Amino acid sequence: EVQLVESGGGLVKPGGSLRLSCAASGFTFSSYSMNWVRQAPGKGLEWVSSISSSSNYIYYAASVKGRFTISRDNPKNSLYLQMNSLRAEDTAVYYCARESARGDYWGQGTLVTVSS
Amino acid sequence: DIQMTQSPSTLTASVGDRVTITCRASQSISTWLAWYQQKPGKAPKVLIYKASSLETGVPSRFSGSGSGTEFTLTISSLQPDDFATYYCQQYNGNSRTFGQGTKVEIK
Repeated sequence: EVQLVESGGGLVKPGGSLRLSCAASGFTFSSYSMNWVRQAPGKGLEWVSSISSSSNYIYYAASVKGRFTISRDNPKNSLYLQMNSLRAEDTAVYYCARESARGDYWGQGTLVTVSS
Repeated sequence: DIQMTQSPSTLTASVGDRVTITCRASQSISTWLAWYQQKPGKAPKVLIYKASSLETGVPSRFSGSGSGTEFTLTISSLQPDDFATYYCQQYNGNSRTFGQGTKVEIK
């Protein structure tokens, strides 16, 4: 069974940093591109970043470029999102998602709250 | 960047109704479009991929159509379990973009 479990969310002050993790199981992690997508409270879905299977290709939304860094560790079946210079508008549930031509498979998300 | 415009934002309907949600892309995405259902506090779940392919396990009352820039999701006979928020997502190219969402409410 495919499982994606996010962790690392919490309360952080504006300007602070946080590192999210996503533990993958039930599939060959190293064969898939992965994404981070976020959802602010009561709002829609916003794509944040993607990384190819071998980390050769990395893309970011304009809203996070220069502040967030996506990475992965294939032997550990793990995906990461390092978030720096956090702002109030970064408050959201952050989901990791496995890409495929059949649409994306999502974890249950981790909540990040940026507030003083 | 490809923009996705989804309508309506809210849809009020009764059990048994046929409902249609529309999604328009700012440029051609061929058939690289998925539809997701999201219930409160849960992650989105894929219903339709490649514009018209039904994901395994999804009831056949859900269907998708379209290509290029115009897409629709149809629920042929709305069931109580279908009251949720629906999102379209383009996955053509290096990024993903979502529609604004359609909340399907009970009349």
